[in-house]
Amino acid sequence: GENVEQHPSTLSVQEGDSAVIKCTYSDSASNYFPWYKQELGKGPQLIIDIRSNVGEKKDQRIAVTLNKTAKHFSLHITETQPEDSAVYFCAASRPLGGSNYKLTFGKGTLLTVNP
Amino acid sequence: DAGVIQSPRHEVTEMGQEVTLRCKPISGHDYLFWYRQTMMRGLELLIYFNNNVPIDDSGMPEDRFSAKMPNASFSTLKIQPSEPRDSAVYFCASRRGANTGELFFGEGSRLTVL
Repeated sequence: GENVEQHPSTLSVQEGDSAVIKCTYSDSASNYFPWYKQELGKGPQLIIDIRSNVGEKKDQRIAVTLNKTAKHFSLHITETQPEDSAVYFCAASRPLGGSNYKLTFGKGTLLTVNP
Repeated sequence: DAGVIQSPRHEVTEMGQEVTLRCKPISGHDYLFWYRQTMMRGLELLIYFNNNVPIDDSGMPEDRFSAKMPNASFSTLKIQPSEPRDSAVYFCASRRGANTGELFFGEGSRLTVL
């Protein structure tokens, strides 16, 4: 099955700096890569996703890049703010709509943005 | 919509007791997922349903765990008998359709087995 590795497990940055979280996956058939943000006491919430037909996607201060050849993808947060502090999860799955859809998550990165 | 609703939010029980966790998915969502979250193992998929039918239960740890979805608006995850190693946060999530990727998670049920 799919295996998703995520690094670092913790990340501390100063407000205004950038944060980068990296993930690798093992299943070459995976083509959907979402990122979820989990705030304390809440369930994870989708913040951005990318499919393998594109190499980069951006939404305001967050962006995701994908390298299918190397099987890794990254989350970039620019101009970090204290409210960005949370646990971030990457995930991977085979094509949506297929019979074997299964979203496999990385172990998470605790991001702390210091004011 | 109120989102995915889980109950109870917190459960403390003693080893050997039966535990039932409940989930109401978002109306119109035809996929329902049960995940377990621990520090050691992260978010693990236990089982998922499509149109109330279990599709993949390969993540269910053992026979002590069972899940049902009697109708489109209700699902249960049962642990009988419970053990201390079952202590975790259990999340239910739902999704609309096969071609949308977004999972909508509930706020979780924190289970502590003493």
